[in-house]
Amino acid sequence: QKEVEQDPGPLSVPEGAIVSLNCTYSNSAFQYFMWYRQYSRKGPELLMYTYSSGNKEDGRFTAQVDKSSKYISLFIRDSQPSDSATYLCAMIRITGNQFYFGTGTSLTVIP
Amino acid sequence: DGGITQSPKYLFRKEGQNVTLSCEQNLNHDAMYWYRQDPGQGLRLIYYSQIVNDFQKGDIAEGYSVSREKKESFPLTVTSAQKNPTAFYLCASRMVAGSSYEQYFGPGTRLTVT
Repeated sequence: QKEVEQDPGPLSVPEGAIVSLNCTYSNSAFQYFMWYRQYSRKGPELLMYTYSSGNKEDGRFTAQVDKSSKYISLFIRDSQPSDSATYLCAMIRITGNQFYFGTGTSLTVIP
Repeated sequence: DGGITQSPKYLFRKEGQNVTLSCEQNLNHDAMYWYRQDPGQGLRLIYYSQIVNDFQKGDIAEGYSVSREKKESFPLTVTSAQKNPTAFYLCASRMVAGSSYEQYFGPGTRLTVT
């Protein structure tokens, strides 16, 4: 079983829709969670990072962590064509040095 | 501008040749990482380094080598022993001290070996 599972999609939504991207994980020692956006042939860009359960909001993006279910989500409100990219989740133990990544979800926002 | 630079952006080599990918950061980050990205497989860790002159193997270190002689630099050599070297290579870095765990990536180097 992989440490981090992420549905690869592809996910296609109309402009203005709310997008929900999700990852599940198996190791309860993961404490710090990140979401990256990666455009084609570019390096991943850090979007959001959270520590502990709960919600964190930044503009149109909301990151949610549910440690009891080992489930994290990224919500994108009022999605735009420029949001079309692959979204990667990542996590790390507080005492660890290695990051664990999902395989990424490909998102297309249609104008 | 602070950030991570990788060069070159595209690299082409013949099979059997060693090739070195450059990674430099001016973020004063302690730890540096090398990942390989293949379609449908996500990011796989090759090597990482927490401090100068020290580094650890990741999940797929065979056929690769690294050095960390300076805090700012973490070059990766893809040797002829690497069976499938064609891939997108990403360098990353982060602070180790304090409570910050965010990892930042460079723009990547696409290596094609024929």
